[in-house]
Amino acid sequence: EDKVVQSPLSLVVHEGDTVTLNCSYEVTNFRSLLWYKQEKKAPTFLFMLTSSGIEKKSGRLSSILDKKELFSILNITATQTGDSAIYLCAAVDSNYQLIWGAGTKLIIKP
Amino acid sequence: KAGVTQTPRYLIKTRGQQVTLSCSPISGHRSVSWYQQTPGQGLQFLFEYFSETQRNKGNFPGRFSGRQFSNSRSEMNVSTLELGDSALYLCASSLNSQDTQYFGPGTRLTVL
Repeated sequence: EDKVVQSPLSLVVHEGDTVTLNCSYEVTNFRSLLWYKQEKKAPTFLFMLTSSGIEKKSGRLSSILDKKELFSILNITATQTGDSAIYLCAAVDSNYQLIWGAGTKLIIKP
Repeated sequence: KAGVTQTPRYLIKTRGQQVTLSCSPISGHRSVSWYQQTPGQGLQFLFEYFSETQRNKGNFPGRFSGRQFSNSRSEMNVSTLELGDSALYLCASSLNSQDTQYFGPGTRLTVL
């Protein structure tokens, strides 16, 4: 059965810290991996990763995919209170179905 | 507790046809929202239903419609399908409108 596991489930850090969120997957016919930031309502798209070893960056956020070890990480540097959210990863299979992880709840303390 | 389920998981239609997608929310959740995701893109909001009433609507043409039943299950209908309607349609449920949404696996629609 396809599955996506995120860790940690929750994380509390102080402003300015750097955090690394993990997402491992076991998906038959894997196509790509998506990262989202969710604050109460609809998730905000962050990254789509299809190739192994190529880092994607957007400001203080970056992400990379390892298709050999079947995982991805999301890094946030110099965290701010506005980064507090649930971070979701989802694997996309060859039929474009999404297999969601449970999410990592990140809390940034001022 | 079972998660959000969507049926069918994928389907193929031709231009001009219509399609109905179904979403069963998490038990106890009364709000159901629908989103369209095209490959590589973010989510675009279609509409939200709460207690059988449409509360919010995104910027989609009238060909896209939905409804919610008394058991909170929701359906989305797209009429006169166009090639550009090919996308992943996601449904999300929450206890109330302002609560965290939980997403289903999606229905992949391909229009030929």
